[in-house]
Amino acid sequence: GDSVTQMEGPVTLSEEACLTINCTYTATGYPSLFWYVQYPGEGLQLLLKATKADDKGSNKGFEATYRKETTSFHLEKGSVQVSDSAVYFCALSDRGYSSASKIIFGSGTRLSIRP
Amino acid sequence: GAVVSQHPSRVICKSGTSVKIECRSLDFQATTMFWYRQFPKKSLMLMATSNEGSKATYEQGVEKDKFLINHASLTLSTLTVTSAHPEDSSFYICSARDLISGGRADTQYFGPGTRLTVL
Repeated sequence: GDSVTQMEGPVTLSEEACLTINCTYTATGYPSLFWYVQYPGEGLQLLLKATKADDKGSNKGFEATYRKETTSFHLEKGSVQVSDSAVYFCALSDRGYSSASKIIFGSGTRLSIRP
Repeated sequence: GAVVSQHPSRVICKSGTSVKIECRSLDFQATTMFWYRQFPKKSLMLMATSNEGSKATYEQGVEKDKFLINHASLTLSTLTVTSAHPEDSSFYICSARDLISGGRADTQYFGPGTRLTVL
């Protein structure tokens, strides 16, 4: 079945460092891809998404490009802030635009940023 | 933007009692709602999918008699954990999807979650 694999955490960086969180997927169709973020004590928020190959999603300085050839959707940010400390989930929607579609989540990567 | 609320945000109950968690879509009609469970430092596990007016579809391994889901209206779904035990302690998250007003099937809006602790 469809699945998402993302790098294990925790990831600890200093403020203003570059961030990459790797994510690869397995899917039989043409999934939409997402990054969700969960700040401490809060629910999930959609960070960015891409719906087709070569699309780039971006938000709050984060970017991810839908790479069909490598089945990847790596999350990047050029300069992280302490406020970016959170758990990041890579996810896919398994049946595209079908009403039966579900979201499949990766295991999450905990990011901690040191001042 | 689309907002989903959950109530309560935290609940502590005694073993053997039942607990009801509500999930509401505040500014849109949710044709489908999803219930997830999140274990500490783990990912979200989909428990069930509920469509308004019909029975919920449970994922493999989820006991439907233990986790009762009702989706009686387009803005409200409830999850009742029956005869709760300490191993049911977890973070329960709902999400909602709007397919009525042109919403995308791949878009879900998540509630803030409910932390259940069973003593």
